[in-house]
Amino acid sequence: AQTVTQSQPEMSVQEAETVTLSCTYDTSENNYYLFWYKQPPSRQMILVIRQEAYKQQNATENRFSVNFQKAAKSFSLKISDSQLGDTAMYFCAFVGGRNQGGKLIFGQGTELSVKP
Amino acid sequence: GAVVSQHPSWVICKSGTSVKIECRSLDFQATTMFWYRQFPKQSLMLMATSNEGSKATYEQGVEKDKFLINHASLTLSTLTVTSAHPEDSSFYICSARSGTSGYTDTQYFGPGTRLTVL
Repeated sequence: AQTVTQSQPEMSVQEAETVTLSCTYDTSENNYYLFWYKQPPSRQMILVIRQEAYKQQNATENRFSVNFQKAAKSFSLKISDSQLGDTAMYFCAFVGGRNQGGKLIFGQGTELSVKP
Repeated sequence: GAVVSQHPSWVICKSGTSVKIECRSLDFQATTMFWYRQFPKQSLMLMATSNEGSKATYEQGVEKDKFLINHASLTLSTLTVTSAHPEDSSFYICSARSGTSGYTDTQYFGPGTRLTVL
């Protein structure tokens, strides 16, 4: 069974600084996708970034980038130039395997606070 | 990007009554919709998967008779919490997927519905 683990329940960072959120996963699948979702206080889930496992190049979206280490099954999110609006719960998620029905498997979440 | 709406955004009901939550894909046809439950400061817990025109598939431990799911069209799925009790109070989120390729299709999330049962 696939699992996703986020070992940092809470993190804080000063505005304009860089922070890295950790995520590890376990799967026997070779083809899968990994995601980082942001859930701000409004509780709307927002897709931050997506990584396809067969792509070696790390995905980037403006200030957000990932460090995807397939062999180590690690998928960390780096937020550069942190902004107050980045304050949110961040979830790492996995989807893969043709027989899994496209179900997203979420980690426990990391609550990020950006301080002025 | 694709938009998913939920209605209502917040509902308060008395214990023993039933509540229906709607999930709509506004600008795409959703072949599959997922229903999640989330408690404060916790992760999303998948309750069930619904495919248009067929019965929903429930996750282990989720009561099928308590949480009725209907996916009658390609743009609408409903979750009915029957005979609601205070322990059913939670935040319910739906997501929708447009394709049939399985895990390669992006899921789009609704804004969620807060249910409070008195």
